[in-house]
Order: sequence, then structure tokens, then C-alpha cells
Amino acid sequence: GAVVSQHPSRVICKSGTSVKIECRSLDFQATTMFWYRQFPKQSLMLMATSNEGSKATYEQGVEKDKFLINHASLTLSTLTVTSAHPEDSSFYICSAQHRTGYSYEQYFGPGTRLTVT
Amino acid sequence: EDQVTQSPEALRLQEGESSSLNCSYTVSGLRGLFWYRQDPGKGPEFLFTLYSAGEEKEKERLKATLTKKESFLHITAPKPEDSATYLCAVQAIGRLGGGYNKLIFGAGTRLAVHP
Repeated sequence: GAVVSQHPSRVICKSGTSVKIECRSLDFQATTMFWYRQFPKQSLMLMATSNEGSKATYEQGVEKDKFLINHASLTLSTLTVTSAHPEDSSFYICSAQHRTGYSYEQYFGPGTRLTVT
Repeated sequence: EDQVTQSPEALRLQEGESSSLNCSYTVSGLRGLFWYRQDPGKGPEFLFTLYSAGEEKEKERLKATLTKKESFLHITAPKPEDSATYLCAVQAIGRLGGGYNKLIFGAGTRLAVHP
């Protein structure tokens, strides 16, 4: 149980275009999902917290207009990188919060490798 | 400020050579401490959650323990397939006592197990 998927796993786009990444919780409902960015040989950097039916909460320094997050249902959150530039190239990972009683465990997707040319 | 420090940064073991990874933390109020395994180019894989000092959990060759200041991930008789980066994260209780769901990650320990 507690499986999270991401699509696509890899994407290459041209500078100036937008890219959408999907994150789905497959066997549980997630009112809260999270989006992370990871640079090579570094730990995960939280970008934003996505709550179903409400606006996302962005971490300091993350541009809201560049990284659009939508959490339209209890199993789907999307991250859209708008007007992508080469510096946006990175590994993007989502997680979904699985609540069971007092426990709030986060399960991660497999990640999306974005390359902007 | 809530903070997580993992040591060592990298660890090289021979197959069968047991060892421990350390995760030291400072947090205003601990809701839970999490251990994940991450393979290159993949998302983190959930291993354990620990909630209170003295708690221990085991899974195959891995055993996680928790005190009020740190957690250890003990690896017994490791195999090459245990090679990965092990991440520790804490989840803090919000100031108002309600839910606060962010995970604060350490930098990770890169483990290499050689045959």
C-alpha cells in the first residue's frame, strides 16, 4: 500500500515553454501533498505544500508564478513549471501524506527529471 | 530553529560489516522521525517512523532507534544491495499544537557496501 506515482518520469523541453508534472496517490487519499526539488548529491528541498481544494503554501524563495501547483482532487496534484529556463533543470519529487490515526507519514513518488534546453 | 544533522556524510563498508548511521535533531516538539532510503535517480523509499524516545523498529537488516536528541539506523551484516543514500527527517508539532506536516531533512548518509 501507500503508492505514489509521478508522470512523466523524464521530460525535455525548450526554454520558454511550460511543463506539467502529475503526482497521484494510487491507493489512498491525500489531502496534503508536497513538492520537492533535488540537486545532484544534495538532499530534498521543499518547494511547496499542496492542500486539496485550497491554495498551495510556498516556501521562502520559491516563485509562486513560476511553479504553479494545483491540488484538484484527493489523489492528484500537479506542478506546472512556467516559462522554463535551463536553471529550472532539476529532479522534482512529490510526496503524499498518508494519515492513519496519529501518524502522518509521507510517501514519495519516483521523481521527474526535467531538462530545459 | 528546527534542524537535522546526519553523520557520517559517506560510509564504506565491507559486506557483512555492521555499522550505524546517526541522525541528530533539534526540534521544538517532535511529532515523528522518519528514515528513508534513496537510490540514485529515484524518489525516497519509506523505511520507518519513530514517535517517542525508546522506540525501536526493525526491517530485515535494518533497525532504527530513537532518543530525545538523536536516532540511529543500525545495519547488521549489510549486503551490496543495501548501498544507497539514507535520509533522516523530522516532523514538528505546530506552535498551536495542531498539525504541522513539513518534513525537515538531513543531508543524508551515502552508504556503499562492497562485496
